[in-house]
Amino acid sequence: SQQGEEDPQALSIQEGENATMNCSYKTSINNLQWYRQNSGRGLVHLILIRSNEREKHSGRLRVTLDTSKKSSSLLITASRAADTASYFCATGRSFGNEKLTFGTGTRLTIIP
Amino acid sequence: DAMVIQNPRYQVTQFGKPVTLSCSQTLNHNVMYWYQQKSSQAPKLLFHYYDKDFNNEADTPDNFQSRRPNTSFCFLDIRSPGLGDAAMYLCATSRQGASTGELFFGEGSRLTVL
Repeated sequence: SQQGEEDPQALSIQEGENATMNCSYKTSINNLQWYRQNSGRGLVHLILIRSNEREKHSGRLRVTLDTSKKSSSLLITASRAADTASYFCATGRSFGNEKLTFGTGTRLTIIP
Repeated sequence: DAMVIQNPRYQVTQFGKPVTLSCSQTLNHNVMYWYQQKSSQAPKLLFHYYDKDFNNEADTPDNFQSRRPNTSFCFLDIRSPGLGDAAMYLCATSRQGASTGELFFGEGSRLTVL
């Protein structure tokens, strides 16, 4: 069953603006991961944040995690046309349960 | 160099005609996953292997089977494809599983059922 919901489902912004996507999940987690998927392609891992971390950065990406609210956000700064893709959050649960369960995804379009 | 390779990239089959999709990895990862992704939806886990241990999802239809003959290869068999099985099938690997690290995905196999 779906673990997470993402908000918004679709987002269109001008190139150079920042994009923020939100993810909510239902159960306890070991980590939360964000993936990117270009149309018709496989998923590419972007960033992993562990349950004891609150914020993580990687290049133009910033991820926050609030385990008390069971939510996470992904911020992409200074967006580029090449950032156009679908973005999924996914949750990793406890050791021994090695499933990765995906949220519903956000379709991001960057307008040049 | 591609690390998770799926074949074929595109597969067309007829209603009820068995299909096998393959996945190979050069990462020597312990865990291999098969996901089904329908248009504009999230990937849905069908099953995964931790080494040779097979873990089936409760809602995966019996029509879907899998084999992992060795560390490098994993196969998805669809015994009698229906129109509802048309989707992208994604293979992924992980060193020790999602509880500790990320997944590496192949480019997917897109299945069309006529």
